[in-house]
Amino acid sequence: SQTIHQWPATLVQPVGSPLSLECTVEGTSNPNLYWYRQAAGRGLQLLFYSVGIGQISSEVPQNLSASRPQDRQFILSSKKLLLSDSGFYLCAWSQGAGQPQHFGDGTRLSIL
Amino acid sequence: EDQVTQSPEALRLQEGESSSLNCSYTVSGLRGLFWYRQDPGKGPEFLFTLYSAGEEKEKERLKATLTKKESFLHITAPKPEDSATYLCAVQAAGRGSTLGRLYFGRGTQLTVWP
Repeated sequence: SQTIHQWPATLVQPVGSPLSLECTVEGTSNPNLYWYRQAAGRGLQLLFYSVGIGQISSEVPQNLSASRPQDRQFILSSKKLLLSDSGFYLCAWSQGAGQPQHFGDGTRLSIL
Repeated sequence: EDQVTQSPEALRLQEGESSSLNCSYTVSGLRGLFWYRQDPGKGPEFLFTLYSAGEEKEKERLKATLTKKESFLHITAPKPEDSATYLCAVQAAGRGSTLGRLYFGRGTQLTVWP
């Protein structure tokens, strides 16, 4: 069966510090991968998606970037965090069109 | 523009009191409608996929239905463990469809008290 792992579960970082969140998927090959941010009381905001190694598309211009160095690995990064980067970050995978997305348990990011 | 609206925003039910959650959508060609359950501090958990009007799916006390403009999640005789936020998402044909892009509603927060 397929599983998705995200870490860390919680993270507290100072403003201006770098960020690296990692997501890996097991039990499937060539998945579509997604990064979302979920703010309290708001819906899921799609940040990045990837259909293959090295292929990244951005939905919203921002302080973040994403990379996919391996087929089942997706990384969310920032060089300098802003207060507005606080939130709940979710990684998801799917097999593509018409298929559901499956989510990890998320990372709660707090910026101080 | 594609849009997904869920109602009500919050719903409180007594244990055993059946009710329905609504998800209305406006998309240019529906490729699929998805229901998720999200517990506090966790990622959304996939429940159902519906592809065409008239389709129904069931799982324990939950039943999802689909029309051309909306979907309902019916909860029969709910229990406190059904308390969660229920999210609806649609995938539209056309732009982003091959990428499996989903458009999410803001969810309905369901509380079932004993």
